[in-house]
Amino acid sequence: GQQLNQSPQSMFIQEGEDVSMNCTSSSIFNTWLWYKQDPGEGPVLLIALYKAGELTSNGRLTAQFGITRKDSFLNISASIPSDVGIYFCAGTSGTYKYIFGTGTRLKVLA
Amino acid sequence: EAGVAQSPRYKIIEKRQSVAFWCNPISGHATLYWYQQILGQGPKLLIQFQNNGVVDDSQLPKDRFSAERLKGVDSTLKIQPAKLEDSAVYLCASSRRTGMNTEAFFGQGTRLTVV
Repeated sequence: GQQLNQSPQSMFIQEGEDVSMNCTSSSIFNTWLWYKQDPGEGPVLLIALYKAGELTSNGRLTAQFGITRKDSFLNISASIPSDVGIYFCAGTSGTYKYIFGTGTRLKVLA
Repeated sequence: EAGVAQSPRYKIIEKRQSVAFWCNPISGHATLYWYQQILGQGPKLLIQFQNNGVVDDSQLPKDRFSAERLKGVDSTLKIQPAKLEDSAVYLCASSRRTGMNTEAFFGQGTRLTVV
């Protein structure tokens, strides 16, 4: 099945650093969602995006819906140890069938 | 409001046995999804319901997997017979799907190990 490409695949960063990750699709989407998944848990919704160019924040997290509607970006500012986990993007083209990305594994060094 | 409930949390079975998972979505959510997440990968959609009807089951291995949502509320996913490659986390999600509010919320998942 189709999956979205996320990059980077994994990253180690120092506490306090900013983090950027992105998600790309070969198809146009009209909704992008960003999730965080901790070990042994289900994905938890972080941010939802509905319009091309939209920039939405949730605390230290900011996500953008790409202008081409084929990509999305997630930034985390001033990372802390509890930011560790796997971040997934998910998109849909209107059928409400959400396709998930391959995930970005984030590890924060104290 | 209560989240998506799934049970059991863990299940270990032998290959060729059958297994069933249960999901109760968030109250009022018309859309229900079952996803399979293999270790190290993103969730893959198996089946999507809108109320009690199937919207998409194109990725469901229908020779061994089945799912139902008879009253448009809770749902069961069954595997019979199980194979080793079915070892994964099975995630249920639900969505209100009204207007702009289409976010999908996930349960904790059922971790299946087939030995």
